[in-house]
Amino acid sequence: DQQVKQNSPSLSVQEGRISILNCDYTNSMFDYFLWYKKYPAEGPTFLISISSIKDKNEDGRFTVFLNKSAKHLSLHIVPSQPGDSAVYFCAASADGTASKLTFGTGTRLQVTL
Amino acid sequence: DAMVIQNPRYQVTQFGKPVTLSCSQTLNHNVMYWYQQKSSQAPKLLFHYYDKDFNNEADTPDNFQSRRPNTSFCFLDIRSPGLGDAAMYLCATSRGRASEKLFFGSGTQLSVL
Repeated sequence: DQQVKQNSPSLSVQEGRISILNCDYTNSMFDYFLWYKKYPAEGPTFLISISSIKDKNEDGRFTVFLNKSAKHLSLHIVPSQPGDSAVYFCAASADGTASKLTFGTGTRLQVTL
Repeated sequence: DAMVIQNPRYQVTQFGKPVTLSCSQTLNHNVMYWYQQKSSQAPKLLFHYYDKDFNNEADTPDNFQSRRPNTSFCFLDIRSPGLGDAAMYLCATSRGRASEKLFFGSGTQLSVL
């Protein structure tokens, strides 16, 4: 039972445009959400997080939006750059912290020139 | 640079032959985690240590064991690897249980012949 779902395995976006990566979850107990980025041959690195008490968190070019009623979150990257090409994992936890994360299957983002 | 280091990067073992994967960290974090990621699947938490306190996930097979002899090192032992245990094994750390994020190593890709 996949509690965190990333339904798009891949996404291709032109450089300079907006990338929108989506994530859905089924467990209503999840209250803390994170996005991780993974380059080939490297471990995932933390990108941005959001607590369920917020609906938006912004860090530079990266913004995460949370819609609790729809159990949906999205990561916006504006503007997209070639270096953003990576696999992006959505993750969630039910205790307000990063411990015991449940991950999605990832979305591979390709930013083209 | 403080980091999480996993050795080896690639590990090949034979069906049924015990294998040990290692993880070390220079972050001095209290919590260490082991995740299993099979191809095109989400990383799945196997267990974690909070200091010396071992926490096993309910669905982690008995075939998987872990040791944490000190703060810096954590080992994953697979007693009798099966073909289904071929996967990427990711080690991660966090400062404490109430951390905002996990820090991952680059992973060990395990093949079982």
